[in-house]
Amino acid sequence: EVQLVESGGGLVKPGGSLRLSCAASGFTFSAAWMSWVRQAPGTGLEWVARIKSKTDGGTTDYAAPVKGRFTISRDDSKTTLYLQMNSLKTEDTAVYYCATEFHGSLNYWGQGALVTVSS
Amino acid sequence: DIVMTQSPDSLAVSLGERATINCRSSQSVLYSSNNKNSLAWYQQKPGQPPKLLIYWASTRESGVPDRFSGSGSGTDFTLTISSLQAEDVAVYYCQQYYSALSFGQGTKVEIK
Repeated sequence: EVQLVESGGGLVKPGGSLRLSCAASGFTFSAAWMSWVRQAPGTGLEWVARIKSKTDGGTTDYAAPVKGRFTISRDDSKTTLYLQMNSLKTEDTAVYYCATEFHGSLNYWGQGALVTVSS
Repeated sequence: DIVMTQSPDSLAVSLGERATINCRSSQSVLYSSNNKNSLAWYQQKPGQPPKLLIYWASTRESGVPDRFSGSGSGTDFTLTISSLQAEDVAVYYCQQYYSALSFGQGTKVEIK
């Protein structure tokens, strides 16, 4: 059974940093493309970042609002996905989901981690 | 960036009736290499993560009831629920994966 468990969420002040983790199991993590998607309270889904498998180059892509501030990475030995978030803004407040990509569609999702950016 | 626009923002449908949600992309999402449209549909119920329903515009994910169907090509797509059930009350999102990823704003489906 595929499991994705996010952790590391919490309350942080504007300008601060936070690192989210997503522990994966039940599938071949090293072969998977992975994404982070966020959802601000009461709003829709926003794709944040993606990282390809190392065999596909391990390259990363970011949405414009987070480019230069967020970094997606992976540790295949620990089957864990990360999202390092720096220079956080109040508009980054959201539930952050990690998800597996299947040809671009997101077929498995975690339960999400809440990040609140507030002074 | 490809912008996805859904219509309507919400709709109310009687139980057993058809629900239709539209999604338009700001540019074609048709891959010429495989002649497939890079378009997915998701269902999200309150307090839950989204669930993949449809990918490649019309391929149902395993386990998804056949009352859900996807159609369209190029820039215009439709998700149809042929006979609305109570458990289908949710917000539905389209998503393109032709160029990075982006979602539509969502359509809330309720019972009339």
